Amino acid sequence: EADIYQTPRYLVIGTGKKITLECSQTMGHDKMYWYQQDPGMELHLIHYSYGVNSTEKGDLSSESTVSRIRTEHFPLTLESARPSHTSQYLCASSEFDRMNTEAFFGQGTRLTVV
Amino acid sequence: ELKVEQNPLFLSMQEGKNYTIYCNYSTTSDRLYWYRQDPGKSLESLFVLLSNGAVKQEGRLMASLDTKARLSTLHITAAVHDLSATYFCAGVGGSQGNLIFGKGTKLSVKP
Repeated sequence: EADIYQTPRYLVIGTGKKITLECSQTMGHDKMYWYQQDPGMELHLIHYSYGVNSTEKGDLSSESTVSRIRTEHFPLTLESARPSHTSQYLCASSEFDRMNTEAFFGQGTRLTVV
Repeated sequence: ELKVEQNPLFLSMQEGKNYTIYCNYSTTSDRLYWYRQDPGKSLESLFVLLSNGAVKQEGRLMASLDTKARLSTLHITAAVHDLSATYFCAGVGGSQGNLIFGKGTKLSVKP
């Protein structure tokens, strides 16, 4: 069973607020990801990290930022939330090994910006 | 750049019937993954297919991989309502080896 946790599970927040979505994993995985998914739609990779102090932007441009100060922790921050940021955000992790890229997902954070 | 295409995107089937979901990918992918997502939930790993000809089965679901045809299939046998969910396939793409997902197949099994 995967040990990757996201908080909060649900968040409703006003426009212009700063928010941080938390993601932690206890599997010792070096690689972590953030995906954005609108309801019933496909997953888009917005950020990933190979390890501590490594962050990269994904295929979908996002106004969010991420940091990786500790292996187990990969928070995502929106400095000024807007209604267009309303979506589900899924965090995942995997081993940093091209031969084994199976990703384990957290439960997701459903963000609504009003 | 790897592109992953699933079809059909929507599938409504009756309980007891069989059906196959197809996953085509555009360039070489070392491996292929299948995930299940229930409404409002996260993704659950179903199958990891590591080599050409790989076949894996779990209950009423069977997944296979043909790397030469760049095709993976997810076969559903004698569907039951509990299988209703969205199924995603994902390949490994790019120099970074990230997972690239298809758009998902929304399966609805009706009595």
